[in-house]
Amino acid sequence: DAKTTQPPSMDCAEGRAANLPCNHSTISGNEYVYWYRQIHSQGPQYIIHGLKNNETNEMASLIITEDRKSSTLILPHATLRDTAVYYCIVRGQAGTALIFGKGTTLSVSS
Amino acid sequence: GAVVSQHPSRVICKSGTSVKIECRSLDFQATTMFWYRQFPKQSLMLMATSNEGSKATYEQGVEKDKFLINHASLTLSTLTVTSAHPEDSSFYICSARDRGGNHEQYFGPGTRLTVT
Repeated sequence: DAKTTQPPSMDCAEGRAANLPCNHSTISGNEYVYWYRQIHSQGPQYIIHGLKNNETNEMASLIITEDRKSSTLILPHATLRDTAVYYCIVRGQAGTALIFGKGTTLSVSS
Repeated sequence: GAVVSQHPSRVICKSGTSVKIECRSLDFQATTMFWYRQFPKQSLMLMATSNEGSKATYEQGVEKDKFLINHASLTLSTLTVTSAHPEDSSFYICSARDRGGNHEQYFGPGTRLTVT
């Protein structure tokens, strides 16, 4: 699976959009981009995933560049409860384990 | 959505004893379950992949005789930490892949193990 690079930390004001970038320049054609988050002392929570098209669900939007070498997770209206570590993971075969990098610690403040 | 539970949520044990952690998929069948370990301020580290009815596959550096994994049914996997020592104190998290084959991997809430 391709390696991902994320900034170690980001800050966001409550109510504003949080845009979390992820670089995956070595991604191959059959690999998906997944986003999970982990709130302190809890198990990771699935947010969204995509292959090449932009995706949106009730939690977030995922924007994948046309060359698929990077993506951005957008939380449209961040709240204090969105404070967490966000992990961008690239995975090919669906049955294999998710491998976590260091992620981005997002701090949302009022 | 699919729910994965873990029991216990936290456990304290004495050095040299064994501890069993259960991971259950509550509303779906999981042919594959994964066990992770997370030390403070670090990311999750994959320990092993568990397939129902077969032996677990351990990641490099994880002692299979110390971390016994059993996946006896499609809804239950157990991790037994044998002869626990203080350095085994960690947050243990399991996840399960839906037999239905969608792309999501569902995670349990984690078990905090403290070895004194």
